[in-house]
Amino acid sequence: GAVVSQHPSWVICKSGTSVKIECRSLDFQATTMFWYRQFPKQSLMLMATSNEGSKATYEQGVEKDKFLINHASLTLSTLTVTSAHPEDSSFYICSVSGQVGEQYFGPGTRLTVT
Amino acid sequence: AQSVTQPDIHITVSEGASLELRCNYSYGATPYLFWYVQSPGQGLQLLLKYFSGDTLVQGIKGFEAEFKRSQSSFNLRKPSVHWSDAAEYFCAVGAAPAAGNKLTFGGGTRVLVKP
Repeated sequence: GAVVSQHPSWVICKSGTSVKIECRSLDFQATTMFWYRQFPKQSLMLMATSNEGSKATYEQGVEKDKFLINHASLTLSTLTVTSAHPEDSSFYICSVSGQVGEQYFGPGTRLTVT
Repeated sequence: AQSVTQPDIHITVSEGASLELRCNYSYGATPYLFWYVQSPGQGLQLLLKYFSGDTLVQGIKGFEAEFKRSQSSFNLRKPSVHWSDAAEYFCAVGAAPAAGNKLTFGGGTRVLVKP
């Protein structure tokens, strides 16, 4: 399967600032990537589908102006949390879509907004 | 709309004992089913997947799952659990075996392993 990395693995930022999370597909050209959010002891919540070279598709209830997604190449997608607030603190996970619909996940990024 | 239910939130099992995790899905067409495992603070690792063919699927780490269409189930099993199997397990369903399709995840089952 594909190997996926995320950077940073852990970040603390102050309320009102923006933070960028990178998701890289290390050995697979990823036309489609997904961004998820996971609260403690809960399942994954899909935030958006990121397609290379086009605009991301956001799930209902996810603010596209707050969670900016850019998928500029087949190996890199970024999620920028703009004007972060404490309620944005969460575990953010990206995944790469494989050729038959399976997904390969990154290790996640823990965001804490103070 | 597709949905996945994992009825057991927590399961405690003794090391060396067998393990079975339940997964029930709801989907109008042929489902494409997955099991993932998540260790604390980590991403998800694919254990196995079912698209078609033999309804008993073998995965990594000694896990297997059986697809039962009549029961809308895709239960995960392991004959003998190791302490390292303590983790969160997620069942997921996809719409079709094609790149770019979204997955719907169940709520997860946390497995605790007693020594």
